[in-house]
Amino acid sequence: AQSVTQLDSQVPVFEEAPVELRCNYSSSVSVYLFWYVQYPNQGLQLLLKYLSGSTLVESINGFEAEFNKSQTSFHLRKPSVHISDTAEYFCAVSEKGGSEKLVFGKGTKLTVNP
Amino acid sequence: GAVVSQHPSRVICKSGTSVKIECRSLDFQATTMFWYRQFPKQSLMLMATSNEGSKATYEQGVEKDKFLINHASLTLSTLTVTSAHPEDSSFYICSARAQGPYGYTFGSGTRLTVV
Repeated sequence: AQSVTQLDSQVPVFEEAPVELRCNYSSSVSVYLFWYVQYPNQGLQLLLKYLSGSTLVESINGFEAEFNKSQTSFHLRKPSVHISDTAEYFCAVSEKGGSEKLVFGKGTKLTVNP
Repeated sequence: GAVVSQHPSRVICKSGTSVKIECRSLDFQATTMFWYRQFPKQSLMLMATSNEGSKATYEQGVEKDKFLINHASLTLSTLTVTSAHPEDSSFYICSARAQGPYGYTFGSGTRLTVV
């Protein structure tokens, strides 16, 4: 079984500051990794994913995440945040070749202040 | 592409009544859909996996008689909360897998309030 730990439940930052949202996972098999963003009272939107290949993956809006197998981590980073990045961010894993179920972390609330 | 429509977005019902939530894949066929429940300020908990043409697979601790799932076509799955009680109030989200490796798309969610 897989599990996901998001160490920070809330991360407040100022606009244009860099941010890192941490995600660690546990699994006995190889996994796919995802970051989703959720705005209030909405569903989840895929931000980026790691399936294979390059360990650094990027989104179209400036976020990036790096898969680190030895540290079982998939931290999300952005060098300069905007007010509009304020949202809940969820890290998720899925077992390769497995049941397709996504296992989510508890989420990190990112609040960008002016 | 790969849009999932979930309806209704909000519903308020009286205790003891049943509520049906629909999840549709608009531009792709989904043999598998997933139903999640999200409590305030918490993560998504998978309730069940909905398989087209067969019975849903429920996660441990989820009452299958209370949360009825029907996946009658490749584009529609429904979740019916039967005999709803205030503790069933929550945010319910569906997800479907589109073509390609792990192309999960989520609906916009349904806020259920049982009074």
